[in-house]
Amino acid sequence: AIQLTQSPSSLSASVGDRVSITCRASQGISSALAWYQQKPGKAPKLLIYHASSLESGVPSRFSGSGSGTDFTLTISSLQPEDFATYYCQQFNSYLLTFGGGTKVEIK
Amino acid sequence: QVQLVQSGAEVKKPGSSVKVSCKASGGTFTSYAMHWVRQAPGQGLEWMGGIIPIFHTANYAQNFQGRVTITADESTSTAYMELSSLGSEDTAVYYCARAYTLVLANAFDIWGQGTMVTVSS
Repeated sequence: AIQLTQSPSSLSASVGDRVSITCRASQGISSALAWYQQKPGKAPKLLIYHASSLESGVPSRFSGSGSGTDFTLTISSLQPEDFATYYCQQFNSYLLTFGGGTKVEIK
Repeated sequence: QVQLVQSGAEVKKPGSSVKVSCKASGGTFTSYAMHWVRQAPGQGLEWMGGIIPIFHTANYAQNFQGRVTITADESTSTAYMELSSLGSEDTAVYYCARAYTLVLANAFDIWGQGTMVTVSS
């Protein structure tokens, strides 16, 4: 199965900061990558699909980039409601996999 | 709007099985693949498998092969996940999630609320 490695595993940032999270695939997955946000006790929420397409209703401060093996989720100006854990997920293969997650905490 | 409503929390004995349901409302159940994802306490997300309801075609993660069965009932717009030979390591929140389209290999745009399964003697 394709492995996804997220970095960092956690980060501390302040409101207004620009934050970037990376996701590296163990083999090329074209643009078959999604990003999710999860808050404690809640189901994940889809933010980005096909590496860079913003899901309907998601604020434009979220953006995704990359293709092949290296991907990035960027939050242009961190808001209080963005403190959460973020996961990448690949769907290039029928054996779907998630990254280990990145927890974004308040500095 | 489309909602996925899952069955309630379960407490199971080691070695037993659990079956969790996920009922879709507000959309066309047969137009999308359905998946199951679990999350152990304090851990990340783990994909278990998915199904195309109209074809009853399912695929499963290697970690769960032989132990998980995913089914769907179009008449009630309900997907099911049954996990057998439960151990303490299966204690987790189990989520159903709708794929973006009918294709199994997909992102998940709608999620159920989660079902807590606790395995304890």
